Formats: sequence, structure tokens, C-alpha cells
Amino acid sequence: EVQLVQSGAEVKRPGESLKISCKPSGYTFTSYWIGWVRQMPGKGLEWVGIIYCGDSDTRYSPSFQGQVTISADKSISTAYLQWSSLKASDTAIYYCARSDGVAILDYWGQGTLVTVSS
Amino acid sequence: QSALSQPRSVSGSPGQSVTISCTGTSSDVGTYKTVSWYQQHPGKAPKLMIFDVSKRPSGVPDRFSGSKSGNTASLTISGLQGEDEADYYCCAYAGRYTFVFGTGTQVAVL
Repeated sequence: EVQLVQSGAEVKRPGESLKISCKPSGYTFTSYWIGWVRQMPGKGLEWVGIIYCGDSDTRYSPSFQGQVTISADKSISTAYLQWSSLKASDTAIYYCARSDGVAILDYWGQGTLVTVSS
Repeated sequence: QSALSQPRSVSGSPGQSVTISCTGTSSDVGTYKTVSWYQQHPGKAPKLMIFDVSKRPSGVPDRFSGSKSGNTASLTISGLQGEDEADYYCCAYAGRYTFVFGTGTQVAVL
């Protein structure tokens, strides 16, 4: 059974750094892409970016380029989304999902709520 | 890369059909046969309902169907049921491993 388990909710101050994780199971980690999706409170889904877990080839939405970093560690089959300096506007639920690289997000994590507040 | 345009809400009575449109451009919906649709219930993660314009993953009821014409994709729910009340999002490939989501549509079962 394919599952993606994400790290728990985070509460941070503006300017702090953060790295959230996504650990898939039930398939070969290096054979698929992992995508990240943002959902701000009461709003729709926004595509953040995607990483191919086989070679860490990474692509970002223009809206998120330079704002976040997506990475993957093959040795522990885990993907990450990180910020170096959080802003209040980063407050959202962030989902990871398995992808074939071309708009199919077939299995999703449970989401990680990130709250940034002073 | 602008969000794909969807109606804010659609509604129907149980048993009726509803159709949700998803309008993009010739750079995304109009070019690639890789439009997918996601259902999201409140407080839950999205669920894949349709991929490659019209294919259904295993376990998705056949009352969900998808199509595409030009720059517009559509999701039709036939035989509407109470459990279909949710938000629905389209998603299209926009080249170079980039995606774009639709603005989302709230489906209400009257």
C-alpha cells in the first residue's frame, strides 16, 4: 500500500527557518517524483514544485522560485520542503504527493500545517 | 503561469448531472493530454479522480468522467450523490515538469 507520511504541525516566528518532511512507503522511492502543494487558509491548491527522487532534478513554480527549497535524501527515502526565512504569508497547509512528473498526483500525504506568527 | 479558471460553485440535486469547466491556455490545457482532477473534502487531503483528461484511477466511481476541447477541460459528475459534495480542482501540465492548478469549484448537493 502506497502511503506518504508528513511531519507534524509547526509554529514558527517570522524570520525563522523550517524544514518539513515527507516519507513515502509502498513503492520504489527513486522511481517517482514528489510534488509539493500549498493551500493557504480557506483558499485553493497551488503548485509549489517537484523533485525527481532518483537524481534530485527539481523544478519550481515561478511563484515559489527562490522562496523555498525542495530536496530529497535517497538514503532515507524522504523528501523535504524548506524555508530559510519564514514570513507570515507562508502560513498554510503543505501537501506532498507522488507524481509521474506530468500532472498526475496519485497519492497524497496528510498535509503539514505551518503557522508563522509573531 | 496563471491559475486555470473554474466556476466558483455548481450545484445539483441527487441523481442529476453537473459539469465543471477548467479553462487554460494553449500553453497548458490546450497542448498537453495531461489534465487531472482532484476532489477535496473539508479538512482532508485532495484525492485523484481523473487523470490524462478522461482516465479514472481504480476505485473511482464511473459516474465521474472527464473530457477536453481546445483550451477547456471538463469534469462531469453523473448521478450526483451526497458524498460528492466537495471542492474540485483541475490541474494541467504546463511543460518542463511544471504544473498549474485551477481556482477550484465547490460542488453542492441540494
